[in-house]
Amino acid sequence: KQEVTQIPAALSVPEGENLVLNCSFTDSAIYNLQWFRQDPGKGLTSLLLIQSSQREQTSGRLNASLDKSSGRSTLYIAASQPGDSATYLCAVSMDSNYQLIWGAGTKLIIKP
Amino acid sequence: DAGITQSPRYKITETGRQVTLMCHQTWSHSYMFWYRQDLGHGLRLIYYSAAADITDKGEVPDGYVVSRSKTENFPLTLESATRSQTSVYFCATTPTISQPQHFGDGTRLSIL
Repeated sequence: KQEVTQIPAALSVPEGENLVLNCSFTDSAIYNLQWFRQDPGKGLTSLLLIQSSQREQTSGRLNASLDKSSGRSTLYIAASQPGDSATYLCAVSMDSNYQLIWGAGTKLIIKP
Repeated sequence: DAGITQSPRYKITETGRQVTLMCHQTWSHSYMFWYRQDLGHGLRLIYYSAAADITDKGEVPDGYVVSRSKTENFPLTLESATRSQTSVYFCATTPTISQPQHFGDGTRLSIL
């Protein structure tokens, strides 16, 4: 059974720092991996989606990498800003299955 | 505005009552999903639908009923609400499994 883990559960860093959020999964036979952010009281917003054949995706200050063989993905945030404060979740989908398997998230706080 | 809308945003009801949560999308996406989000469990899939009149169970379907007579609507019904169904419920859509899921803002449901 696929399990997705995000460590740490919470992270607090000063504004301007570059940071990395981690996501690991136990079964490497994934179809794709997605990173989302969730603001308090809000739904989830998709940030990046990496297909199983890809190694990374970039959007603005965000870069997500995928290493299927080691069961890991990282979300790199450059030059962090207070507006980046949110909970970041990763989720994987398995081949031919529409269900997403979710990590518990990392709560990120960027201090001004 | 185009997008995905959930209603109501907040609902308080009593055990044993029937309650229906609404989800409406304007994109004509084929796939729609219902999740619940609870502390300690993260996001869990309740039901999903690949097209009108096609629905399937997710991880935690017991106590819930869905229907999808039209592509744009995917209501979730709790036939006899229990306290364990107190949660935040999210609806999501996607055109295909290869594309990101788009989430509504959620319904916060409290069952007394």
